[in-house]
Amino acid sequence: NAGVTQTPKFQVLKTGQSMTLQCAQDMNHNSMYWYRQDPGMGLRLIYYSASEGTTDKGEVPNGYNVSRLNKREFSLRLESAAPSQTSVYFCASSRDRDLRGYTFGSGTRLTVV
Amino acid sequence: AQTVTQSQPEMSVQEAETVTLSCTYDTSESDYYLFWYKQPPSRQMILVIRQEAYKQQNATENRFSVNFQKAAKSFSLKISDSQLGDAAMYFCAYRNPQGGSEKLVFGKGTKLTVNP
Repeated sequence: NAGVTQTPKFQVLKTGQSMTLQCAQDMNHNSMYWYRQDPGMGLRLIYYSASEGTTDKGEVPNGYNVSRLNKREFSLRLESAAPSQTSVYFCASSRDRDLRGYTFGSGTRLTVV
Repeated sequence: AQTVTQSQPEMSVQEAETVTLSCTYDTSESDYYLFWYKQPPSRQMILVIRQEAYKQQNATENRFSVNFQKAAKSFSLKISDSQLGDAAMYFCAYRNPQGGSEKLVFGKGTKLTVNP
């Protein structure tokens, strides 16, 4: 089925460890996004990519890096995980001016201990 | 910067009754889109309904409808004939189609409980 695929679905890290969250879409969307969801905070934008080869910071970029590897893939990297990065992470994609809004991945629950 | 405010952290409704979730937003733009997303316990984000700001008519999708008040910058969601499956987190979101990327700005969400 067409959509946004995120891996992994669950992850536990120790403080200071690094990891990369993977995201891929097969809908030929130009724009891709990484959000984090925390209780009582809604979804906050970490980074986004308006097109292949471009990335920009969102509302909460500190502690994260991203790579838009190609049009399909947009990865999120935590270089040195901290307990404050415990969250649910969502990848999403969209077509320009698409009234359907975003297509979301199923999320990654990350716990940093 | 655009902001979206959902003033009701939690709401409850009896099955078959009607409930309205509130959302206000702040923007200086005249052309934008508004959305309501539903997030059930499965965590999946599901688009419920959308509204284009230039359309005066309120959007409707089956049991879901909105009350869009552009001057007041208000975008409430009405759920009629509530069902147990409507229990979820609901997020209001704003998108400005201008500019280089069409980022969604989300409210903090309203948790809806449906009582049998």
